Amino acid sequence: DTAVSQTPKYLVTQMGNDKSIKCEQNLGHDTMYWYKQDSKKFLKIMFSYNNKELIINETVPNRFSPKSPDKAHLNLHINSLELGDSAVYFCASSQSGDAEKLFFGSGTQLSVL
Amino acid sequence: GENVGLHLPTLSVQEGDNSIINCAYSNSASDYFIWYKQESGKGPQFIIDIRSNMDKRQGQRVTVLLNKTVKHLSLQIAATQPGDSAVYFCAENISGANSKLTFGKGITLSVRP
Repeated sequence: DTAVSQTPKYLVTQMGNDKSIKCEQNLGHDTMYWYKQDSKKFLKIMFSYNNKELIINETVPNRFSPKSPDKAHLNLHINSLELGDSAVYFCASSQSGDAEKLFFGSGTQLSVL
Repeated sequence: GENVGLHLPTLSVQEGDNSIINCAYSNSASDYFIWYKQESGKGPQFIIDIRSNMDKRQGQRVTVLLNKTVKHLSLQIAATQPGDSAVYFCAENISGANSKLTFGKGITLSVRP
């Protein structure tokens, strides 16, 4: 029943490792997003995809690579993890490319040791 | 540049009282505003939104006020309940293709029993 679901909820890993976070939405939305929330709760957009096409890339290091196999899925792969990557990552979706009323997943807390 | 911010980092209110959470934005081109509530361990949840052609919108126990003259947005919660305790975010958007929601800093609302 969950509208936007992301896995895993918790991810603890060593520096230098590569990891992926998966996201799926069953709302039939065209646009999906990745947001990063830092320790001060500040939410910042990283990427957005509309119908599998990348439309926003907010100067995120190229160690971060989003992949959208279809419009219901947007995964985030992170190479060579760094300490500063530790944060909560939220997937979201919206009806159209017009970023209004985003529906968020429950977040993935990434801890890089 | 865009700057969406909140005046106070924390707000403590007595159960049953009304709460007012304020937000300032600096991008006068923004035409859509939204409030989110984030409970511990969860993703942000939509509360209420408003477009720039309105100055007030009411929902269930919540009211959003928009003052475009001073670029100010507020969220009023009537008869605050313990379940309202959360971090609240305002966000702004300029409508159009490939738009993105820009979030302000969160404010913690704490409801005293």
